Amino acid sequence: DAEITQSPRHKITETGRQVTLACHQTWNHNNMFWYRQDLGHGLRLIHYSYGVQDTNKGEVSDGYSVSRSNTEDLPLTLESAASSQTSVYFCASSESTEGPQYFGPGTRLTVL
Amino acid sequence: SQQGEEDPQALSIQEGENATMNCSYKTSINNLQWYRQNSGRGLVHLILIRSNEREKHSGRLRVTLDTSKKSSSLLITASRAADTASYFCATDGLYGNKLVFGAGTILRVKS
Repeated sequence: DAEITQSPRHKITETGRQVTLACHQTWNHNNMFWYRQDLGHGLRLIHYSYGVQDTNKGEVSDGYSVSRSNTEDLPLTLESAASSQTSVYFCASSESTEGPQYFGPGTRLTVL
Repeated sequence: SQQGEEDPQALSIQEGENATMNCSYKTSINNLQWYRQNSGRGLVHLILIRSNEREKHSGRLRVTLDTSKKSSSLLITASRAADTASYFCATDGLYGNKLVFGAGTILRVKS
């Protein structure tokens, strides 16, 4: 069955370190998204991609970057981790830009 | 910023009762979606309703949309303990076709 996976599921890092969170989907969807979820804020969009070599900034993109070299993967990089980036990160994909999104299980990131 | 705002923030009911959650939004939309999130898991899509639709059903779920009031409701009938989860509405329109999620309603169904 098609799925979307994230790794690692849990990560503890130190302030200033570079961190990369992986997202891999086998739905063959062109559209992929990264969100962060914090208590009281719901999900906020970090970056998104509508296809290979396409990346776009979302609502809270400062301090994050993504790259899309193939259809299946959209890794999220924190260039220099900050304590404010402690959060749960979700990757999602969708077949159409307006349609349902399929979410991964999330990565809980703690920045000390 | 949030486009959708769910109400209530938390809801506790007995198994077998109906649960109603509401979502209000600010700008014109193309569609509104509802998602469920079980504790420690990713979101699961429940239902999508387009701006030209007023009501949609899926199993025990009933969603209504009132574009004049910029609001939607999610009704879960005959609730079960397994319905215990957080429920989010998501709308497009604020940032083009990208989804904006509300803060969610925490539903607890007591058996």
